[in-house]
Amino acid sequence: EVQLLASGEDLVQPGGSLRLSCAASGFTFSSYAMSWVRQAPGKGLEWVAAIGGIGGSFYYTDSVKGRFTISRDNSKNTLYLQMNALRAEDTAQYYCARDRGVVAMHGFDYWGQGALVIVSS
Amino acid sequence: QSALTQPASVSGSPGQSITISCTGTSSDIGAYNFVSWYQQHPGKAPRLIIYDVTNRPSGISNRFSGSKSGNTASLTISGLQAEDEADYYCSSYAGSSAPYVFGTGTKVTVL
Repeated sequence: EVQLLASGEDLVQPGGSLRLSCAASGFTFSSYAMSWVRQAPGKGLEWVAAIGGIGGSFYYTDSVKGRFTISRDNSKNTLYLQMNALRAEDTAQYYCARDRGVVAMHGFDYWGQGALVIVSS
Repeated sequence: QSALTQPASVSGSPGQSITISCTGTSSDIGAYNFVSWYQQHPGKAPRLIIYDVTNRPSGISNRFSGSKSGNTASLTISGLQAEDEADYYCSSYAGSSAPYVFGTGTKVTVL
């Protein structure tokens, strides 16, 4: 059974940093691209970042470029999102999601339960 | 990276069919046959219901169907049921620089 378990949720002050993790199980982790998708309270889904299956390709939405870093450790079956210089508008539920292929292109067939990040003083 | 445009809400009676539109541009929906649709119930993670414009994952009811014409994709739910009441989001591949864009979301109400 495919499982994605996100962790690292927290309350952080503006300008602070936080790292989210997503532990994957039930499939060959390196064979799939992975993404982080966020949802602000009461709002819609927003794609944040993606990484290819081997880890050599990285993609970010404009609003997080230079502040967020997506990475993966295929030996630990774990996806990460390092978030720096956090802003109030980064407050959201962050979902890790598995792409349908090794390249970020075909949509997300499995989602984690989400990790809540609150940026507030 | 502008969001795809969806109607804010669509409603229908049990047994009826409804269609949700998703309008993009020639750089996303119009350029690729990689449109996905997701269903999200309150407090839950999204669930994939359509991928690559018309394909249903295993376990998804054939009451859900997808199509595309030009820069607009559509999701049709036939034989509407109470359990279909949820938020629905489209998404499209948008090129190698920023692979994904989501729609604004549509709340489906079963009357």
